Amino acid sequence: GEDVEQSLFLSVREGDSSVINCTYTDSSSTYLYWYKQEPGAGLQLLTYIFSNMDMKQDQRLTVLLNKKDKHLSLRIADTQTGDSAIYFCAESIGSGGSYIPTFGRGTSLIVHP
Amino acid sequence: DAGVIQSPRHEVTEMGQEVTLRCKPISGHNSLFWYRQTMMRGLELLIYFNNNVPIDDSGMPEDRFSAKMPNASFSTLKIQPSEPRDSAVYFCASSRDRDSPLHFGNGTRLTVT
Repeated sequence: GEDVEQSLFLSVREGDSSVINCTYTDSSSTYLYWYKQEPGAGLQLLTYIFSNMDMKQDQRLTVLLNKKDKHLSLRIADTQTGDSAIYFCAESIGSGGSYIPTFGRGTSLIVHP
Repeated sequence: DAGVIQSPRHEVTEMGQEVTLRCKPISGHNSLFWYRQTMMRGLELLIYFNNNVPIDDSGMPEDRFSAKMPNASFSTLKIQPSEPRDSAVYFCASSRDRDSPLHFGNGTRLTVT
């Protein structure tokens, strides 16, 4: 199975909160990332959390990490139509001195007006 | 900071032709990654360089694929001969060091007919 798993789609109404979930399998993950991909563009780093943290907040974004359950979530408050994009979760694991990120398949967030 | 620059943005070629994709990482970044994105397989790591040296090329699908990094500011991914199943979006990404997040280019959309 995949190392990082995400649901494929999430649909929300404008102004509501969005919660995108991710599970990972490697307990030695050091960093966990959230990236955003808009159509025709590359992946843009949104935020990241070090594995010894439980929560990180950055304006409308809140990242929660449950290390025991290997569960990561991204909450977007007051979701706007401009937030419609694909959101990727990624984990970074030390391996022979390199930290090669492993990405999930991405969650397509659709925001309805 | 111009970000990671990839060229061309789009490439359409016929089966059997050679294809060369180019990448200029962010100045000062010493790690460079090539990824391939398809609907079927998501984001796959092809190869990873550190200080211009290939560290992990286990993701390169076949001998038809090769990558070089002759200096810190330039990398190429070559496919020879190309096949229709190589059609995908190819991303280059760079990071400052092994503990830093990846910064992605806007990708090259390759179509092999």
